[in-house]
Amino acid sequence: TQLLEQSPQFLSIQEGENLTVYCNSSSVFSSLQWYRQEPGEGPVLLVTVVTGGEVKKLKRLTFQFGDARKDSSLHITAAQTGDTGLYLCAGVRPYLTDSWGKLQFGAGTQVVVTP
Amino acid sequence: GAVVSQHPSWVICKSGTSVKIECRSLDFQATTMFWYRQFPKQSLMLMATSNEGSKATYEQGVEKDKFLINHASLTLSTLTVTSAHPEDSSFYICSARDITRAKGYNQPQHFGDGTRLSIL
Repeated sequence: TQLLEQSPQFLSIQEGENLTVYCNSSSVFSSLQWYRQEPGEGPVLLVTVVTGGEVKKLKRLTFQFGDARKDSSLHITAAQTGDTGLYLCAGVRPYLTDSWGKLQFGAGTQVVVTP
Repeated sequence: GAVVSQHPSWVICKSGTSVKIECRSLDFQATTMFWYRQFPKQSLMLMATSNEGSKATYEQGVEKDKFLINHASLTLSTLTVTSAHPEDSSFYICSARDITRAKGYNQPQHFGDGTRLSIL
């Protein structure tokens, strides 16, 4: 079982629509990172959220970290075909907890945006 | 921005050979690097943590004699898949932690572009 549950696993939408990807856990994280990965390439860091309740915006992407630092969401407004990719959330457990210092990855959400 | 270079990007070799994959941090020093394995349509699975100047620490179930890791400098870690077999075929990805960008363990990890390993 994965520490971070990502949903949905797959999302297919048309250009211009909005979408939200969720990342949930019963454990607390000191930070959470979102990545996008294209086929045959490594993940590219989109954002790091650290503070509970934090909201960060990156153009059409909005990232939120839950107040309790156990969950996060990624919202894309007016999706474009270039947003297609595998979105991964990954969290760092707090100091001296199990697996601290290592990134714990969610299973990923495959997003497909069609013209 | 921070860049991590991984080489080779793709390798095909016969069963029984050993394959070395390099991971370099190009514009920052990385005392810690990580090696992941990824199967098609799945997430990344951490194999081991590579520590500069000391032994790597392996995740449960990963054979350290099979996957040799050397972190000889602050910018280079290598993963050698020894006596590779078809079941070792996978996408291997390294990452490096940029300690200059944040405090503690919230430092962002930057990933290489991966190595597609195919064992015939």
